[in-house]
Amino acid sequence: AQSVTQLGSHVSVSEGALVLLRCNYSSSVPPYLFWYVQYPNQGLQLLLKYTTGATLVKGINGFEAEFKKSETSFHLTKPSAHMSDAAEYFCAVSVPTGFQKLVFGTGTRLLVSP
Amino acid sequence: NAGVMQNPRHLVRRRGQEARLRCSPMKGHSHVYWYRQLPEEGLKFMVYLQKENIIDESGMPKERFSAEFPKEGPSILRIQQVVRGDSAAYFCASSQRLAGTQETQYFGPGTRLLVL
Repeated sequence: AQSVTQLGSHVSVSEGALVLLRCNYSSSVPPYLFWYVQYPNQGLQLLLKYTTGATLVKGINGFEAEFKKSETSFHLTKPSAHMSDAAEYFCAVSVPTGFQKLVFGTGTRLLVSP
Repeated sequence: NAGVMQNPRHLVRRRGQEARLRCSPMKGHSHVYWYRQLPEEGLKFMVYLQKENIIDESGMPKERFSAEFPKEGPSILRIQQVVRGDSAAYFCASSQRLAGTQETQYFGPGTRLLVL
Protein backbone atom coordinates (compact mmCIF):
# COMPACT_ATOMS: atom_id res chain seq x y z
CA ALA A 1 0.00 0.00 0.00
CA GLN A 2 1.06 3.56 -0.62
CA SER A 3 1.11 6.45 1.81
CA VAL A 4 2.18 10.08 1.88
CA THR A 5 3.44 12.20 4.75
CA GLN A 6 3.53 15.95 4.50
CA LEU A 7 5.57 17.55 7.25
CA GLY A 8 4.08 20.75 8.54
CA SER A 9 0.39 21.50 8.24
CA HIS A 10 1.24 25.19 7.91
CA VAL A 11 4.24 26.91 6.37
CA SER A 12 4.71 30.67 6.51
CA VAL A 13 7.07 32.60 4.26
CA SER A 14 7.60 36.20 3.31
CA GLU A 15 6.98 37.37 -0.19
CA GLY A 16 10.15 36.78 -2.23
CA ALA A 17 11.45 34.05 0.07
CA LEU A 18 12.13 30.46 -0.84
CA VAL A 19 9.19 28.08 -0.60
CA LEU A 20 9.89 24.52 0.55
CA LEU A 21 7.04 22.08 1.15
CA ARG A 22 8.03 18.62 2.26
CA CYS A 23 6.61 15.32 1.09
CA ASN A 24 7.76 11.80 1.90
CA TYR A 25 6.12 8.73 0.46
CA SER A 26 5.97 5.02 1.02
CA SER A 27 5.43 2.64 -1.86
CA SER A 28 6.25 -1.00 -2.50
CA VAL A 29 6.76 -0.29 -6.20
CA PRO A 30 8.26 2.67 -8.06
CA PRO A 31 5.65 5.36 -7.63
CA TYR A 32 4.14 8.14 -9.63
CA LEU A 33 4.21 11.36 -7.58
CA PHE A 34 2.09 14.49 -7.83
CA TRP A 35 1.69 17.91 -6.34
CA TYR A 36 -1.70 19.59 -6.43
CA VAL A 37 -2.73 23.09 -5.28
CA GLN A 38 -6.14 23.96 -3.89
CA TYR A 39 -7.36 27.54 -3.62
CA PRO A 40 -10.23 28.29 -1.22
CA ASN A 41 -13.52 26.74 -2.30
CA GLN A 42 -12.02 25.40 -5.49
CA GLY A 43 -10.99 22.02 -6.82
CA LEU A 44 -7.46 20.75 -7.06
CA GLN A 45 -5.14 21.86 -9.82
CA LEU A 46 -2.16 19.80 -10.91
CA LEU A 47 1.13 21.62 -10.35
CA LEU A 48 3.49 18.91 -11.55
CA LYS A 49 4.03 15.18 -11.63
CA TYR A 50 6.85 12.68 -11.74
CA THR A 51 6.39 9.43 -13.59
CA THR A 52 9.68 8.33 -15.10
CA GLY A 53 12.84 9.92 -16.44
CA ALA A 54 14.36 13.13 -15.15
CA THR A 55 14.04 13.36 -11.39
CA LEU A 56 13.78 17.16 -11.32
CA VAL A 57 10.33 18.09 -12.50
CA LYS A 58 9.24 21.58 -13.40
CA GLY A 59 5.63 22.62 -13.08
CA ILE A 60 3.40 25.60 -13.46
CA ASN A 61 3.77 28.94 -11.64
CA GLY A 62 7.51 28.49 -11.14
CA PHE A 63 7.28 25.41 -8.92
CA GLU A 64 9.52 22.40 -9.19
CA ALA A 65 10.06 19.17 -7.29
CA GLU A 66 12.79 16.59 -7.14
CA PHE A 67 12.23 12.86 -6.81
CA LYS A 68 14.82 11.38 -4.47
CA LYS A 69 14.42 7.65 -4.31
CA SER A 70 17.05 7.15 -1.60
CA GLU A 71 15.21 9.58 0.66
CA THR A 72 11.71 8.58 -0.50
CA SER A 73 11.01 12.27 -0.89
CA PHE A 74 9.37 14.58 -3.40
CA HIS A 75 9.72 18.06 -1.91
CA LEU A 76 8.16 21.05 -3.66
CA THR A 77 10.14 24.27 -4.06
CA LYS A 78 9.81 27.72 -5.54
CA PRO A 79 12.70 30.21 -5.44
CA SER A 80 10.60 33.28 -4.71
CA ALA A 81 7.15 33.25 -3.13
CA HIS A 82 4.36 35.43 -4.44
CA MET A 83 1.27 36.48 -2.56
CA SER A 84 -0.83 34.52 -5.05
CA ASP A 85 0.90 31.29 -3.99
CA ALA A 86 -1.04 31.26 -0.71
CA ALA A 87 -3.11 28.09 -0.89
CA GLU A 88 -3.26 24.48 0.29
CA TYR A 89 -0.81 22.08 -1.32
CA PHE A 90 -1.28 18.34 -1.52
CA CYS A 91 1.27 15.70 -2.36
CA ALA A 92 -0.09 12.46 -3.81
CA VAL A 93 1.20 9.07 -4.93
CA SER A 94 -0.12 6.38 -7.22
CA VAL A 95 1.25 3.18 -8.64
CA PRO A 96 1.97 2.84 -12.35
CA THR A 97 -0.31 -0.13 -12.88
CA GLY A 98 -4.01 -0.22 -13.40
CA PHE A 99 -5.86 3.01 -12.92
CA GLN A 100 -4.56 6.17 -11.29
CA LYS A 101 -5.79 5.77 -7.73
CA LEU A 102 -4.33 8.77 -5.97
CA VAL A 103 -3.35 8.59 -2.30
CA PHE A 104 -3.07 12.08 -0.83
CA GLY A 105 -1.20 13.56 2.07
CA THR A 106 -3.02 15.71 4.60
CA GLY A 107 -1.94 18.91 2.94
CA THR A 108 0.21 21.93 3.80
CA ARG A 109 -1.27 25.39 3.97
CA LEU A 110 1.15 27.98 2.62
CA LEU A 111 0.85 31.47 4.07
CA VAL A 112 2.66 34.33 2.33
CA SER A 113 3.16 37.62 4.14
CA PRO A 114 4.09 40.92 2.53
CA ASN B 1 -13.56 23.57 -23.13
CA ALA B 2 -15.52 23.53 -19.92
CA GLY B 3 -13.86 21.91 -16.95
CA VAL B 4 -15.29 19.32 -14.61
CA MET B 5 -18.59 20.51 -13.26
CA GLN B 6 -20.15 19.54 -9.99
CA ASN B 7 -23.49 20.46 -8.55
CA PRO B 8 -24.69 21.51 -6.22
CA ARG B 9 -21.69 23.36 -4.83
CA HIS B 10 -23.22 23.36 -1.38
CA LEU B 11 -25.80 20.94 -0.01
CA VAL B 12 -27.45 20.94 3.39
CA ARG B 13 -29.30 17.87 4.58
CA ARG B 14 -30.85 16.76 7.84
CA ARG B 15 -29.92 13.42 9.33
CA GLY B 16 -31.75 10.60 7.59
CA GLN B 17 -32.24 12.40 4.28
CA GLU B 18 -30.66 11.48 0.98
CA ALA B 19 -27.90 13.40 -0.75
CA ARG B 20 -27.29 13.28 -4.50
CA LEU B 21 -24.10 14.76 -5.86
CA ARG B 22 -23.59 15.21 -9.58
CA CYS B 23 -20.44 15.34 -11.65
CA SER B 24 -20.17 16.17 -15.33
CA PRO B 25 -16.72 15.21 -16.62
CA MET B 26 -14.75 17.21 -19.10
CA LYS B 27 -15.74 16.74 -22.71
CA GLY B 28 -14.17 13.60 -24.11
CA HIS B 29 -13.44 12.10 -20.69
CA SER B 30 -14.97 8.74 -19.96
CA HIS B 31 -13.34 8.04 -16.59
CA VAL B 32 -14.57 9.48 -13.30
CA TYR B 33 -13.12 9.33 -9.82
CA TRP B 34 -14.81 10.40 -6.58
CA TYR B 35 -12.84 11.53 -3.54
CA ARG B 36 -13.95 12.68 -0.10
CA GLN B 37 -12.18 15.33 1.96
CA LEU B 38 -13.02 15.40 5.64
CA PRO B 39 -12.21 18.56 7.60
CA GLU B 40 -8.48 19.06 8.09
CA GLU B 41 -7.66 15.93 6.09
CA GLY B 42 -6.45 15.07 2.62
CA LEU B 43 -8.62 13.61 -0.09
CA LYS B 44 -9.51 9.94 0.17
CA PHE B 45 -10.33 7.84 -2.86
CA MET B 46 -13.86 6.48 -2.93
CA VAL B 47 -14.70 5.02 -6.33
CA TYR B 48 -13.55 4.84 -9.94
CA LEU B 49 -16.06 4.49 -12.75
CA GLN B 50 -16.12 4.25 -16.48
CA LYS B 51 -19.28 4.68 -18.51
CA GLU B 52 -21.84 2.19 -17.16
CA ASN B 53 -19.21 0.36 -15.10
CA ILE B 54 -17.88 0.57 -11.57
CA ILE B 55 -14.22 -0.38 -11.82
CA ASP B 56 -13.08 0.00 -8.22
CA GLU B 57 -15.18 0.96 -5.21
CA SER B 58 -12.71 -0.08 -2.54
CA GLY B 59 -12.91 3.32 -0.87
CA MET B 60 -16.67 3.46 -0.58
CA PRO B 61 -18.32 2.84 2.77
CA LYS B 62 -20.10 -0.50 2.64
CA GLU B 63 -23.50 0.91 3.44
CA ARG B 64 -25.55 3.90 2.33
CA PHE B 65 -23.15 5.02 -0.42
CA SER B 66 -23.52 4.23 -4.11
CA ALA B 67 -22.21 5.65 -7.37
CA GLU B 68 -23.12 5.41 -11.00
CA PHE B 69 -21.95 6.78 -14.33
CA PRO B 70 -24.65 6.14 -16.91
CA LYS B 71 -24.19 6.08 -20.64
CA GLU B 72 -25.86 9.46 -20.84
CA GLY B 73 -25.71 12.17 -18.22
CA PRO B 74 -23.54 12.94 -15.23
CA SER B 75 -22.00 10.64 -12.69
CA ILE B 76 -24.01 10.50 -9.46
CA LEU B 77 -22.77 9.87 -5.93
CA ARG B 78 -25.69 8.98 -3.73
CA ILE B 79 -25.67 8.93 0.04
CA GLN B 80 -28.75 7.50 1.72
CA GLN B 81 -29.80 8.26 5.29
CA VAL B 82 -27.05 10.78 5.83
CA VAL B 83 -25.37 11.12 9.22
CA ARG B 84 -23.32 14.00 10.61
CA GLY B 85 -20.10 12.13 9.86
CA ASP B 86 -20.90 12.39 6.15
CA SER B 87 -20.30 16.14 6.29
CA ALA B 88 -17.36 16.70 3.99
CA ALA B 89 -16.28 18.04 0.62
CA TYR B 90 -16.81 15.55 -2.19
CA PHE B 91 -14.64 15.98 -5.24
CA CYS B 92 -15.02 14.47 -8.64
CA ALA B 93 -12.17 14.12 -11.09
CA SER B 94 -12.25 13.02 -14.69
CA SER B 95 -9.61 11.77 -17.04
CA GLN B 96 -9.06 10.59 -20.54
CA ARG B 97 -7.15 7.38 -20.15
CA LEU B 98 -4.01 7.55 -22.20
CA ALA B 99 -1.25 5.05 -22.62
CA GLY B 100 1.61 4.93 -20.19
CA THR B 101 2.26 7.95 -18.03
CA GLN B 102 0.07 10.50 -19.68
CA GLU B 103 -3.11 10.27 -17.64
CA THR B 104 -4.04 13.42 -15.73
CA GLN B 105 -7.02 13.78 -13.44
CA TYR B 106 -8.87 17.07 -13.66
CA PHE B 107 -10.79 18.00 -10.53
CA GLY B 108 -14.10 19.73 -10.16
CA PRO B 109 -14.76 22.46 -7.57
CA GLY B 110 -16.37 20.00 -5.18
CA THR B 111 -19.69 19.71 -3.36
CA ARG B 112 -19.65 20.67 0.27
CA LEU B 113 -22.17 18.58 2.16
CA LEU B 114 -23.34 19.68 5.58
CA VAL B 115 -25.51 17.34 7.60
CA LEU B 116 -27.47 18.96 10.39
